[in-house]
Formats: sequence, structure tokens, C-alpha cells
Amino acid sequence: NAGVMQNPRHLVRRRGQEARLRCSPMKGHSHVYWYRQLPEEGLKFMVYLQKENIIDESGMPKERFSAEFPKEGPSILRIQQVVRGDSAAYFCASSPTGQGGTGELFFGEGSRLTVL
Amino acid sequence: DAKTTQPTSMDCAEGRAANLPCNHSTISGNEYVYWYRQIHSQGPQYIIHGLKNNETNEMASLIITEDRKSSTLILPHATLRDTAVYYCIVRGSNTGNQFYFGTGTSLTVIP
Repeated sequence: NAGVMQNPRHLVRRRGQEARLRCSPMKGHSHVYWYRQLPEEGLKFMVYLQKENIIDESGMPKERFSAEFPKEGPSILRIQQVVRGDSAAYFCASSPTGQGGTGELFFGEGSRLTVL
Repeated sequence: DAKTTQPTSMDCAEGRAANLPCNHSTISGNEYVYWYRQIHSQGPQYIIHGLKNNETNEMASLIITEDRKSSTLILPHATLRDTAVYYCIVRGSNTGNQFYFGTGTSLTVIP
């Protein structure tokens, strides 16, 4: 009964490097959400994807951040040219239903990015 | 933006009921009330959700007022492992796709 799987759990990058965070949704779930949590703050929505489609990216920073959810394989959140302010926990969640549905989100354990 | 208001923090004695309030005065007719919690730095955990009627599951009970402008999450017998940040969220088709997490209530269960 695998839940939402995220990897890596911890990632350390130097300023200017790229960070790639992966998320495999629960079996049977085709809706993926990414959230960011800065230290001592609440979760902030970033992006909502379905297979091969970005549905809502209203929470994504305009530059350096991108997300995809290919037909095969995990969803990937990519951060280019990381800066110290990108240090945060990045949580992925999946659900069996999307817009208009009432189903809950199932969260992974998060990927903690530290930028030196 | 979060459409809910919650107290910043609460304490509860171990074994007693923990009652966590949430105000959502602008809730729309088709919006549900969800509760999640986040223990330390783990991923948020779903607790319960409801529309109009009170709901109960193995974790908690959700009491929604008749006018739906507020609700209360009840943990009937709080344990030390219930120490966490509890988030009250409203979501419906007109809220969009995302769950908006506010700052939640930090519940500390005291031995």
C-alpha cells in the first residue's frame, strides 16, 4: 500500500546549481500537487498537474521553477540556479480526483532542499 | 489566500478532549471543510472533511454549525502523539484546485 513517494528526502545544493525533486503519486491517482513550506511557515500551493498537463501553476515563481508530470514516470519539480531563499521543504500530494472533486489530498513526506 | 481563521496555539491535557475551532464566515454553499494536521516536519495528514452534517471517523469528529460559518474539530481523547499543527481548509469547485493552508493551530498535548 505505497503512499506518495518523494525523493530525494534531503538535497543539498550550492547556489547556482539545479535541484530536481521527484514525486510518484499513489497508485491510481492521476492528479499531483506541489507545495512549498518555508521554515516556520505554512504550506504554499505551487502547481497542480495531471498527466502531461499543467492545470494550475498560479503559485509557481515566474522564473527558475518548472514542473512536469509525464505520461510515464514521476512528477518532477525542477529549480534552476538555486538561491538560498529556495531552501525549504517541498511536499507533493496526489488525489484521485481534481477540480470539482471532494476527495482529500494524500501527501508525501517531503523533500528538504538546503542551498548553501 | 486561506479563507479560514484559527487560533495560533492551544494546549490540551493528555486524555482530555481537544476542541479546535475554525471560522469560515465566507464559505460558499458548495465548499467543504477539511482538516489536516502536520506532525513536526512530516507531510500533512488528512483527518476529516464535511459539508453540512457532522462527521465522525476513527481519528476525530467534525462539528459544523448550522449556518456553516464555523466548525470545530474534536479529538476525543488527546494523546501526546496528537501534538501537531492543525489546518482547517475550505475547498470547493469555485475555490479552484488547490487546498489553501493557512498558519493553522499549533496544538500541544500536555502530559
